[in-house]
Amino acid sequence: GAGVSQSPRYKVAKRGQDVALRCDPISGHVSLFWYQQALGQGPEFLTYFQNEAQLDKSGLPSDRFFAERPEGSVSTLKIQRTQQEDSAVYLCASSGSTKRYGYTFGSGTRLTVV
Amino acid sequence: AQTVTQSQPEMSVQEAETVTLSCTYDTSESDYYLFWYKQPPSRQMILVIRQEAYKQQNATENRFSVNFQKAAKSFSLKISDSQLGDAAMYFCAYRSGSAGGTSYGKLTFGQGTILTVHP
Repeated sequence: GAGVSQSPRYKVAKRGQDVALRCDPISGHVSLFWYQQALGQGPEFLTYFQNEAQLDKSGLPSDRFFAERPEGSVSTLKIQRTQQEDSAVYLCASSGSTKRYGYTFGSGTRLTVV
Repeated sequence: AQTVTQSQPEMSVQEAETVTLSCTYDTSESDYYLFWYKQPPSRQMILVIRQEAYKQQNATENRFSVNFQKAAKSFSLKISDSQLGDAAMYFCAYRSGSAGGTSYGKLTFGQGTILTVHP
């Protein structure tokens, strides 16, 4: 597609519920990043994929967070047993091979845990 | 670890005037990239301007320009002839230029500055 697509745009989850957030990057983009953005704050790195390989997951806040990109294209961020502190906007970004440029971001998924 | 600091939580400007947003960063690396992103209410991060650390010349993109002071680790954004559509949250971001290591090109963002443009 022309841009990075994320779904759903909004998600309300009850505490303890599992959620899955989807990112569809720009076709052919090798690199894919997930960021978490708390209200009024800057995005913070969660995890990085190069094709299907998850090369860095150091930003995942707990073992309740899991991300995958099985075929090197679409990625899913899963949060198990959601808690109120998980409420945030989850941004996905993809990039081609050049390191000179920034990324193309999606519009994010706003997760609210009630 | 690299850090990015934006000390102005909010700024305002009159339409058609000029405003400067501040950003400082801390790094021990010599090769890196700096970015300014705009985030409107739609939430999508839009790249405004980028600067390669090895370039002495300040980057410009139409009404947007930067003042890059490498020794001072300062990277401010100047918006000239401000327009109502410039109103948004602005983020300064850092990216390592290292080919290897564990950075993988991830971005480190500042806390953001909310820009309001008054008609």
